[in-house]
Amino acid sequence: QSALTQPASVSGSPGQSITISCTGSSSDVGTYDLVSWYQQSPGKAPKLMIFEVNKRPSGVSNRFSGSKSANTASLTISGLQAEDESDYYCCSYAGSDNWVFGGGTKVTVL
Amino acid sequence: QVQLVESGGGLVKPGGSLRLSCAASGFIFSDFYMAWIRQAPGKGLEWISYITPTSSHTNYADSVEGRFTISRDNGKNSFYLQMNSLRGEDTAVYYCARVDVTRASFDYWGQGILVSVSS
Repeated sequence: QSALTQPASVSGSPGQSITISCTGSSSDVGTYDLVSWYQQSPGKAPKLMIFEVNKRPSGVSNRFSGSKSANTASLTISGLQAEDESDYYCCSYAGSDNWVFGGGTKVTVL
Repeated sequence: QVQLVESGGGLVKPGGSLRLSCAASGFIFSDFYMAWIRQAPGKGLEWISYITPTSSHTNYADSVEGRFTISRDNGKNSFYLQMNSLRGEDTAVYYCARVDVTRASFDYWGQGILVSVSS
């Protein structure tokens, strides 16, 4: 499978909202409502932020939300805070017990 | 609390072998699918393998199929990645992760361990 496509970087000022896109295909994002998002700070392990397109694990701020349209999923961070500065990766189930990740997006808080 | 700890990484020559281990605690290990995910230096994440709770089924990414083997020992709360015929492009931080199979997501991750393939 080919990696999902994410913008290399997205930036915003504190308090603003930003959206990260994640484009796949009809074999993954377009077929399965099984998109997840992960936050990774430098030198740290990834942390699950969103699963099943738009659901948050316990303890994840409601400033993080997810959505999907056709072959593209999105992660929106509202009320941007300095602590949100990290890399973000999308991931989709791709059928036949396979998963595919995106290339990652670096979020910068200006 | 859930804890996953990798071990066994290091420097290996091209063509060589290495076995990674992941020790799990804080949950009923034998109930869960488990997976290995890697990240090459400065690159994104790549899912490479998963294993079912009873080892009845495994799967691999095309990039490692035929060279890597995943296994587990539920009595030791551990699972493993045997890596053979290693190549330079296998250089990466390797993460073990717990799979939430109904949600097809990776809900807990280890801290990662570096594997470097170089002559």
